[in-house]
Amino acid sequence: EIVMTQSPATLSVSPGERATLSCRASQSVRNSVAWYQQKPGQAPRLLIYDASTRAAGIPARFSGSGSGTECTLTISSLQSEDFAVYYCQEYNNWPPRLTFGGGTKVEIK
Amino acid sequence: EVELVESGGVVVQPGGSLRLSCAASGFTFDNYAMHWVRQAPGKGLEWVSLINWDGSDTYYSDSVKGRFTISRDNSQNSLYLQMNSLRAEDTALYYCVKDKSIGDDPSYYMDAWGKGTTVTVSS
Repeated sequence: EIVMTQSPATLSVSPGERATLSCRASQSVRNSVAWYQQKPGQAPRLLIYDASTRAAGIPARFSGSGSGTECTLTISSLQSEDFAVYYCQEYNNWPPRLTFGGGTKVEIK
Repeated sequence: EVELVESGGVVVQPGGSLRLSCAASGFTFDNYAMHWVRQAPGKGLEWVSLINWDGSDTYYSDSVKGRFTISRDNSQNSLYLQMNSLRAEDTALYYCVKDKSIGDDPSYYMDAWGKGTTVTVSS
């Protein structure tokens, strides 16, 4: 089973600042990583897939990078609506045993 | 607009059974693989199961394999999760989730989520 470890668990950032979220896989997942945003009381929303492709309607301030065992989600200039929990997910296993990371909470500093 | 509406979540005793349903609309249901994903109270996301577009392929997490069964009825635009031998650790909000899919193959990531239905396993 692939384990996805996200860091930090909590990130305190001021509006307008840059946020960098990390996701480390226990073995290579190539570029088969997606990122989701979840706000309190809401379902998750797809942000990024294939490690770096923005989903439809996602603002350009969200970007993904990396491959292999290390992936990163960067929010270039945090807006008030970006404070949320972010999850990475790998989809490289066969047969599928899709795994999410434990999440990073981005909070207002 | 894609809409996924889950139902069937209740309080059930350990060892009991339950069937969740998901009504899909706003997209061509039988073109897409579908998932169930759950979230225990105050916890992160856990993938539960995947079914391909025509129901011929199904996959499960190790934690539910042998106890849960995913199925779909494309004529009714509906997804189901039959849950047997329920345990306290199955307590969670269960989301019906659309796979982004590319042609006949799942993409294995998820581009539309329902609001979820709550399952509580407790005596």
